Amino acid sequence: AQKITQTQPGMFVQEKEAVTLDCTYDTSDPSYGLFWYKQPSSGEMIFLIYQGSYDQQNATEGRYSLNFQKARKSANLVISASQLGDSAMYFCAMRPYSGNTPLVFGKGTRLSVIA
Amino acid sequence: EPEVTQTPSHQVTQMGQEVILRCVPISNHLYFYWYRQILGQKVEFLVSFYNNEISEKSEIFDDQFSVERPDGSNFTLKIRSTKLEDSAMYFCASSEFYGGPANTEAFFGQGTRLTVV
Repeated sequence: AQKITQTQPGMFVQEKEAVTLDCTYDTSDPSYGLFWYKQPSSGEMIFLIYQGSYDQQNATEGRYSLNFQKARKSANLVISASQLGDSAMYFCAMRPYSGNTPLVFGKGTRLSVIA
Repeated sequence: EPEVTQTPSHQVTQMGQEVILRCVPISNHLYFYWYRQILGQKVEFLVSFYNNEISEKSEIFDDQFSVERPDGSNFTLKIRSTKLEDSAMYFCASSEFYGGPANTEAFFGQGTRLTVV
């Protein structure tokens, strides 16, 4: 079974600063994918970034990057140059490569960007 | 850009009533999912669907729930007799592949907020 832990229920960051949202995971599967989703107050789930367990480099997508440390089983999301529109809930999720297993989500971190 | 569409965006229903939540997955996707998010809590898997049958379901998905793909485009979640604790945001998602490769993202709809009173 997979488990995602997000230990920060809430985070504050100053506009234009960088922020790191923590995510640790637990799985017995040797191959897996890690995802981050953003959920603004309107409720929709927006895919942000993906990291494969065998990817050699950390994933980046614009202002989002994933600090993947496989030995520590962590997949932290880094948002650079925060904007007011980044204020939202952020969910870390994972899925193994093999088997018919859907996404498993963490409890989320609420990020508030302050002007 | 293709997207998953859910209707209605918000539904209020009386306890004991049946509700049907509707979803139009992305057209070339073959795998469909329903997830649920109770207010303030994490997103939980309900059921996955492929080739006109359920692939996998969670313990949440009991006999009160059913899914159907009545035509080539819609994917529905029915709750037969709603309970107060069914109040949640329900997300439909679709993907091209199931399971692997793991980088197959699930595209989520904007959600249906169900309120049972």
